[in-house]
Amino acid sequence: EPEVTQTPSHQVTQMGQEVILRCVPISNHLYFYWYRQILGQKVEFLVSFYNNEISEKSEIFDDQFSVERPDGSNFTLKIRSTKLEDSAMYFCASSQGQGFFVTEAFFGQGTRLTVV
Amino acid sequence: DAKTTQPPSMDCAEGRAANLPCNHSTISGNEYVYWYRQIHSQGPQYIIHGLKNNETNEMASLIITEDRKSSTLILPHATLRDTAVYYCIVNLGADKLIFGTGTRLQVFP
Repeated sequence: EPEVTQTPSHQVTQMGQEVILRCVPISNHLYFYWYRQILGQKVEFLVSFYNNEISEKSEIFDDQFSVERPDGSNFTLKIRSTKLEDSAMYFCASSQGQGFFVTEAFFGQGTRLTVV
Repeated sequence: DAKTTQPPSMDCAEGRAANLPCNHSTISGNEYVYWYRQIHSQGPQYIIHGLKNNETNEMASLIITEDRKSSTLILPHATLRDTAVYYCIVNLGADKLIFGTGTRLQVFP
């Protein structure tokens, strides 16, 4: 069964450093997302990406965050200058579209980011 | 997006049906009901979705009331591996899903 894969599974970084989280969405999907979950809290939407541009973003997704689809398979989330409060599990997801309707989203297993 | 209300926790005996309720009284006519679950700290897993009609797949059944103000997810024969947090989400589509706190289902032997 096709699945969304994320690397690395765990990343530890120093505060102020840049990190790039990587995702390989399901191959025929057109919509891509990043979510995050701080330990013990809700899953929060960060950003959606379609047709090589951001289609929607949340208040959390400020100037320190960026997303890119550098080639036909990878989808990345960059955090420019990490802060302690960026420590969380980051989930990538992807979905197909049927006209204007976006079908179910499939999530990866996540990257646990620890900022020290 | 419509707000959903779910009980914070439920128990279910292994092998029995687990019926997880969800209220979404402010749902609009073109919003879908999605169910996801999260096992421990894994990525949310899609279960099922529906608009008006009842739906069934290999994982579960979704029963939506005629007025669409509530729904029930049914796991017909719960196993220990079904222990998870179950999220009911109402949305126009699967983009920008808003997760609440869900129902923590504990399946016991």
